[in-house]
Amino acid sequence: AQSVTQLDSQVPVFEEAPVELRCNYSSSVSVYLFWYVQYPNQGLQLLLKYLSGSTLVKGINGFEAEFNKSQTSFHLRKPSVHISDTAEYFCAVRTIFGNEKLTFGTGTRLTIIP
Amino acid sequence: SQTIHQWPATLVQPVGSPLSLECTVEGTSNPNLYWYRQAAGRGLQLLFYSVGIGQISSEVPQNLSASRPQDRQFILSSKKLLLSDSGFYLCAWSVFSDTQYFGPGTRLTVL
Repeated sequence: AQSVTQLDSQVPVFEEAPVELRCNYSSSVSVYLFWYVQYPNQGLQLLLKYLSGSTLVKGINGFEAEFNKSQTSFHLRKPSVHISDTAEYFCAVRTIFGNEKLTFGTGTRLTIIP
Repeated sequence: SQTIHQWPATLVQPVGSPLSLECTVEGTSNPNLYWYRQAAGRGLQLLFYSVGIGQISSEVPQNLSASRPQDRQFILSSKKLLLSDSGFYLCAWSVFSDTQYFGPGTRLTVL
């Protein structure tokens, strides 16, 4: 079985500063990795995903993430955050083969300070 | 393009009352469908998933059940709600792809 750990439950960041949200996973087989964003009282929106190929993945809203197989990490970054980035961010993993069930981390709440 | 609907958006129910939440997907056929629950301060927990009409897999034994009466309709039910059933319920779909797409969610409060 796979698992996902998001090390920071809350991250406060000043507006226009860079941010990194950390995600580590555990799996005995190859995986796909995802980051979703959830704005208050809304569903989840896909930010980006890693399937194969380049380990640096670019997503929507200026976010990017880097897959590091040796460290089993998939950290999310943005060079300059905006007030509108205030949301909860979820890292998720699923195995490449088998069913499509996702395993989610517990989420990181990103708060942007004006 | 594909869209996913959930209703109601919010629901307040007394303990012991029944529950029915509905999810429908438009613009695709034969989707895999999922029900997740998000409790306050926690991540998402997969409750049920379905690969076809009448085919339901339960991930967590509990007070809830799911049904799929039509290809693009997924229903979450309970005969008697518990306080612990409160949470944000999300439906998701996928079709021959690596990615799940989520609906807007239903916030359920059991009093």
